[in-house]
Amino acid sequence: DAGVIQSPRHEVTEMGQEVTLRCKPISGHDYLFWYRQTMMRGLELLIYFNNNVPIDDSGMPEDRFSAKMPNASFSTLKIQPSEPRDSAVYFCASSEFPTQTQYFGPGTRLLVL
Amino acid sequence: KQEVTQIPAALSVPEGENLVLNCSFTDSAIYNLQWFRQDPGKGLTSLLLIQSSQREQTSGRLNASLDKSSGRSTLYIAASQPGDSATYLCAASSETSGSRLTFGEGTQLTVNP
Repeated sequence: DAGVIQSPRHEVTEMGQEVTLRCKPISGHDYLFWYRQTMMRGLELLIYFNNNVPIDDSGMPEDRFSAKMPNASFSTLKIQPSEPRDSAVYFCASSEFPTQTQYFGPGTRLLVL
Repeated sequence: KQEVTQIPAALSVPEGENLVLNCSFTDSAIYNLQWFRQDPGKGLTSLLLIQSSQREQTSGRLNASLDKSSGRSTLYIAASQPGDSATYLCAASSETSGSRLTFGEGTQLTVNP
């Protein structure tokens, strides 16, 4: 398996623009997680899905952030409008019940100017 | 709410030394505890996962232990090598938070040749 795939790997955009991050989990995994990592706040869980259904979105910072999982092999994290403070590395991870070991993608480095 | 702390924040050792990384958590109703490794500019790689019913897990030169009563986990690395240099993160999930992982700030390890 190719592992968790994320795109784009790098994104530079201007404040106010819409940003869409994409993730393909490992085939057969039924959990998908979106994380954000910054120097100031470390690694934070934004939202996670189980069988394509959002289970816990308490980490989503505000209404500008939204996440979807239309099928078992694809998820998106959208920021609209983007702000400089959204600059971070965004990771997607997946896991399967019952082992629950999380496998991380390489991340998307987002810079909002 | 689960909180995770890692000590020390940074550690530098000579090659060949055995070392211990420490992790503490506040909610003893733990579901599982995971140790990850993160290389600069990369995603996280899972090293070991300990279920709440287990006391330790071993993989090669790595051994992780779990003591729920004291709220502590340790990662033991035997015969350290320069290739072990990375940031090591501990993450815990609790029975009330489901699959949500709370991460520590990490320990940055440098193994000097």
